[in-house]
Amino acid sequence: GESVGLHLPTLSVQEGDNSIINCAYSNSASDYFIWYKQESGKGPQFIIDIRSNMDKRQGQRVTVLLNKTVKHLSLQIAATQPGDSAVYFCADLSGGSYIPTFGRGTSLIVHP
Amino acid sequence: NAGVTQTPKFQVLKTGQSMTLQCAQDMNHEYMSWYRQDPGMGLRLIHYSVGAGITDQGEVPNGYNVSRSTTEDFPLRLLSAAPSQTSVYFCASRGDRGQAKNIQYFGAGTRLSVL
Repeated sequence: GESVGLHLPTLSVQEGDNSIINCAYSNSASDYFIWYKQESGKGPQFIIDIRSNMDKRQGQRVTVLLNKTVKHLSLQIAATQPGDSAVYFCADLSGGSYIPTFGRGTSLIVHP
Repeated sequence: NAGVTQTPKFQVLKTGQSMTLQCAQDMNHEYMSWYRQDPGMGLRLIHYSVGAGITDQGEVPNGYNVSRSTTEDFPLRLLSAAPSQTSVYFCASRGDRGQAKNIQYFGAGTRLSVL
């Protein structure tokens, strides 16, 4: 079956540094991914998405990179701020069911 | 616009007790779903509904019942709570057309402890 996983359970960075959160997937047919951010005590919230016809997509301070060759995507956060402290999930929405398969999440801790 | 509202925020049950977790959305979304979140496990789908009167099982449905009598509400019932059901429960909904079908809107969660 499909699996969507994250490489590291926790990532600690200093305020102002760039953060990179990684995600691997196993289904070579996967063609659509979403990143969610979950702050403490809240539900996950959409950040950015990417389709397989793209290698890179940029938002406000965030960039998602997709490497289909090695089935890997990453979320890059520029100039990380304390407000970025949260758990980040990648989700695979491939297959047309619109039911996401979530990864286990990476906890980003930003130190002032 | 409140989005997805879940009640209660916290609940403690004894083994064998029953309860209903409430979920309501005001976005007129047809699709709603329930997830549980456990440490190191991510979000796992319990049940989902594609519209009033229609429900289906997700990845971990055992021990839970759902019904969908209205578009707005999607309650999750625990008929006989077990300690294994200690978790944080999230309700979500999504739009029904185009790109809106891809993005889930989550409630703030219900933290449930079963003793």
